[in-house]
Amino acid sequence: EVQLVQSGAEVKKPGESLRISCEGSGYSFNSYWIGWVRQMPGKGLEWMGIIYPGDSDTRYSPSFQGQVTISADKSINTAYLQWNSLKASDTAMYYCARRPTGNNAMDVWGQGTTVTVSS
Amino acid sequence: DIQMTQSPSSLSASVGDRVTISCRASQGISNYLAWFQQKPGKAPKSLIYAASSLQSGVPSKFSGSGSGTDFTLTISSLQPEDFATYYCQQYNSYPFTFGGGTKVEIK
Repeated sequence: EVQLVQSGAEVKKPGESLRISCEGSGYSFNSYWIGWVRQMPGKGLEWMGIIYPGDSDTRYSPSFQGQVTISADKSINTAYLQWNSLKASDTAMYYCARRPTGNNAMDVWGQGTTVTVSS
Repeated sequence: DIQMTQSPSSLSASVGDRVTISCRASQGISNYLAWFQQKPGKAPKSLIYAASSLQSGVPSKFSGSGSGTDFTLTISSLQPEDFATYYCQQYNSYPFTFGGGTKVEIK
């Protein structure tokens, strides 16, 4: 079974750093893009960026460029989303999702990781 | 960035109704358009890719159409499990962008 399993909920203070993870299983992790999507409380979906673990090709939305870092460790089939200095406005649910190459959209989603940033 | 505009933002419908949701791109995206369903407290679920192709396991009551800038998601006969929020997304060019969502509620 193809799965993306995300790390657990996080509660952090403003200014702290954080890395959340997304582990893929049941497929060739290197051969599919992994994207990250933010959903702020009560709001819609926002595309943050995407990485191809096979060669670490990474693209960011301008809205998130410089605010987060997307990376992947293909040796352990895991993608990451990282912040160096969290803000209260980073409070949200974060989803990872797999995207096949070609004319294919994101097809398998992780369960989501809740990040709460509060003093 | 390509802007994706969905309409309506919400609708009320009855079980058995045929429902149509529209999505318009601010510039042509060929058929690089996906639809997702999200229920409260759950991760999104992929329904359609390439504007009209059903993801594996998605029932045929869902259908998509369109090309260029105008797209449609149709649910042929609304069932209780279909009450949710639906999002379109373009993946023609970076950054991939989502529409604002359409909430389908019970009348």
